[in-house]
Amino acid sequence: SQTIHQWPATLVQPVGSPLSLECTVEGTSNPNLYWYRQAAGRGLQLLFYSVGIGQISSEVPQNLSASRPQDRQFILSSKKLLLSDSGFYLCALEQPNYGYTFGSGTRLTVV
Amino acid sequence: AQTVTQSQPEMSVQEAETVTLSCTYDTSESDYYLFWYKQPPSRQMILVIRQEAYKQQNATENRFSVNFQKAAKSFSLKISDSQLGDAAMYFCAYMGGSNYQLIWGAGTKLIIKP
Repeated sequence: SQTIHQWPATLVQPVGSPLSLECTVEGTSNPNLYWYRQAAGRGLQLLFYSVGIGQISSEVPQNLSASRPQDRQFILSSKKLLLSDSGFYLCALEQPNYGYTFGSGTRLTVV
Repeated sequence: AQTVTQSQPEMSVQEAETVTLSCTYDTSESDYYLFWYKQPPSRQMILVIRQEAYKQQNATENRFSVNFQKAAKSFSLKISDSQLGDAAMYFCAYMGGSNYQLIWGAGTKLIIKP
């Protein structure tokens, strides 16, 4: 079965510090992967998606970037965090004709 | 462009009763998928139920069922015998055509009254 792992679960970072959130999947090859952000009490905003190694599409211009260094690894990064980067970040694995499976999420607080 | 609308920001129901959450969508595709996801306070996103548009029969998963009206582009979720653990945000989502990206509704907060 396909599984998705996301870490860390919680992160508190000062403004201007770098960020790296990691997402890995198991049980599948060449998956489509997604990074979403969710503000408190709000819906999901698609940030990036990747259809393969080195292939990243950005949906929203912002302070964040994403990379896909390996087939089953998807990383969300920032060189300098802003207060507005605070939120809940979810990685998702697309399963064609089934839907998405989500990681457990990362709660990021920028202070 | 496809859109998904959840017109109920919040709903409440007495424990053990039945509640229906509404969702409408707009698309020009004929083949697509619709989903209901649940997000409890832990914020883990959990798939509740999925419906394939070409199937006439409404999907059911234990106490959860949908009323899929393709012509009306409506996809409501019915929760029977509501339990305290059903309290969560519920999101309706669409996936269709050659684009596998999910289109999300804004969500409905479901409150269960003991």
